[in-house]
Amino acid sequence: SAVISQKPSRDICQRGTSLTIQCQVDSQVTMMFWYRQQPGQSLTLIATANQGSEATYESGFVIDKFPISRPNLTFSTLTVSNMSPEDSSIYLCSVRTGGLFSYNEQFFGPGTRLTVL
Amino acid sequence: QQQVKQSPQSLIVQKGGISIINCAYENTAFDYFPWYQQFPGKGPALLIAIRPDVSEKKEGRFTISFNKSAKQFSLHIMDSQPGDSATYFCAAEGGGYQKVTFGTGTKLQVIP
Repeated sequence: SAVISQKPSRDICQRGTSLTIQCQVDSQVTMMFWYRQQPGQSLTLIATANQGSEATYESGFVIDKFPISRPNLTFSTLTVSNMSPEDSSIYLCSVRTGGLFSYNEQFFGPGTRLTVL
Repeated sequence: QQQVKQSPQSLIVQKGGISIINCAYENTAFDYFPWYQQFPGKGPALLIAIRPDVSEKKEGRFTISFNKSAKQFSLHIMDSQPGDSATYFCAAEGGGYQKVTFGTGTKLQVIP
């Protein structure tokens, strides 16, 4: 299993500013992901955070807006840049254990609730 | 192709009753179907999962029924309890595509 912590748990930010969300895992994991979840909605994958290389972004998400760092196998950050009220959402860090082609449980952090005014 | 359709959007069930949530998919490359349970203020947590080589999987009060030909699967919660009140997401993945496609979610409320 994997225990994931995120900081901050919530924040209220002003339009035009940036927020960096931290994700810490209690064990080394290969695959780490960042999701966005609008209140009462489903989860949308933002990107896969790759250790030692650039993140892989999903359609509709770009590096300039959501830069991601993955300095090691237990830590990642997601920055939400130049925020607007539309960025108000819950941001979730997630990891998968096991090998690249194995089906293993996906674990989620508690989320960071972001409100942009 | 990557969509997973989930219904109903919300569900109210009496304590002791059966809660049923349905999902359908299009992508025949999907070969792993997990269900996640999410409580308010928490991240989703894996509840139960099934592969398409079986038609049913049961864990305690939770059962997944899988119909490969119809490309449908469902979650049954027997003897529903107020503690089961949460949002449930079906999901699908497979074909070497190591990313999970989530359904739209079902908010379940179990009333005493």
